[in-house]
Amino acid sequence: DAGVTQSPTHLIKTRGQQVTLRCSPKSGHDTVSWYQQALGQGPQFIFQYYEEEERQRGNFPDRFSGHQFPNYSSELNVNALLLGDSALYLCASSFRDRGHGYTFGSGTRLTVV
Amino acid sequence: AQSVTQLDSQVPVFEEAPVELRCNYSSSVSVYLFWYVQYPNQGLQLLLKYLSGSTLVKGINGFEAEFNKSQTSFHLRKPSVHISDTAEYFCAVSLVYSSASKIIFGSGTRLSIRP
Repeated sequence: DAGVTQSPTHLIKTRGQQVTLRCSPKSGHDTVSWYQQALGQGPQFIFQYYEEEERQRGNFPDRFSGHQFPNYSSELNVNALLLGDSALYLCASSFRDRGHGYTFGSGTRLTVV
Repeated sequence: AQSVTQLDSQVPVFEEAPVELRCNYSSSVSVYLFWYVQYPNQGLQLLLKYLSGSTLVKGINGFEAEFNKSQTSFHLRKPSVHISDTAEYFCAVSLVYSSASKIIFGSGTRLSIRP
């Protein structure tokens, strides 16, 4: 049973560029949440998708956007990259469980230079 | 809004010694509580969770945590640690009666085990 799959695992982008990160949820899960984890800090909630709609959003600028597809997979897009966007981006999936706990992927390490 | 405070950023202990990682939360409504572990260059793995019922929760790898509602705490304990327990540990909380749940994490505690 595949868990949460994220791609790519690492990437390097230049300041001002745009990036797309991808996430496939665990089999049977229909809700995807995205987190940003800066070095030495706890994960910060970006947003959550359910039924192809953004249900909740954390304190992140509009440069951060997302999408959920009919097969429940999701993308995180970041425009106009800043050096401060360098972080580990984590995707988590769940089944409409109202917060009973997520399954996390291994993350995408984004470095902005 | 809910929040989580992990009182120690780093905890060094000797191998086979007991350890306690402290966590306090703040919320005006009922919450679910979690502990996650993150090994170097990996994602987060759920250690244990408190949803309801017994306040003593047992998790994987010999860890346990006790929910104390009056002190709004959810401390993580292990009676005897191993080198393989070296990792970052995150306490987290989510609201019980939220129509759109999200999990809020603390800033983490780095557990380092000395031989």
